[in-house]
Amino acid sequence: QVTLKESGPVLVKPTETLTLTCTVSGFSLTNARMGVTWIRQPPGKALEWLAHILSNGRKSYKTSLKNRLTVSEDTSKSQVVLTMTHMDPMDTGTYYCARMFAQYWPDGREYVDDFWGQGTLVAVSS
Amino acid sequence: SYVLTQPPSVSVAPGQTARMTCGGNKIGSKNVHWYQQKAGQAPVLVISYNGGRPSGIPERLSGSNSGNTATLTINRVEAGDEADYYCQVWETSGDQVVFGGGTKLIVL
Repeated sequence: QVTLKESGPVLVKPTETLTLTCTVSGFSLTNARMGVTWIRQPPGKALEWLAHILSNGRKSYKTSLKNRLTVSEDTSKSQVVLTMTHMDPMDTGTYYCARMFAQYWPDGREYVDDFWGQGTLVAVSS
Repeated sequence: SYVLTQPPSVSVAPGQTARMTCGGNKIGSKNVHWYQQKAGQAPVLVISYNGGRPSGIPERLSGSNSGNTATLTINRVEAGDEADYYCQVWETSGDQVVFGGGTKLIVL
């Protein structure tokens, strides 16, 4: 059974750094077809992709947030960590991690986010 | 950057067919995924790679993608289908993942 669970602070102050952990089970982060992605959702608004890390260690970041985001993994703990610096009230929202599962195509490999965590709500306020 | 455009809402009576669109430049050349998000819950994958149905997703849901528009179709709409629906693509040239703004399906 594939599960993902986000954990981290409920409240952070402006300018602080947010650190979120995604703990996975039911699959291995070292499986060549796997990856983990981070997505957030401000209250009442749309989903927004933030970053992902693939099993080969390749990382990608949303261009407009690239300078603030870092994604890393600890495969021994089955965890993926997202850090976001210089938090602002506009960063308030629910943060999700999801499993990325690869499908191979003639011109390459693409992923779909097939299992999601329940999300964790982060508020940014002084 | 690549932009996906979805209508804010679609209303349909129970038993009818709902069609939700996702517009993007030459989106027909990309793979589109669709996610359903019910109130207070995490998103769930309902259509993968334009028209694939993950295990457990009813056949009433289908997807298509051509030209500049991808479409999620729900036949015989039920009250339980009321949710927000998001389309998603992976813009491989810029290595960016993009979501549409979401469509709220309202079952009258």
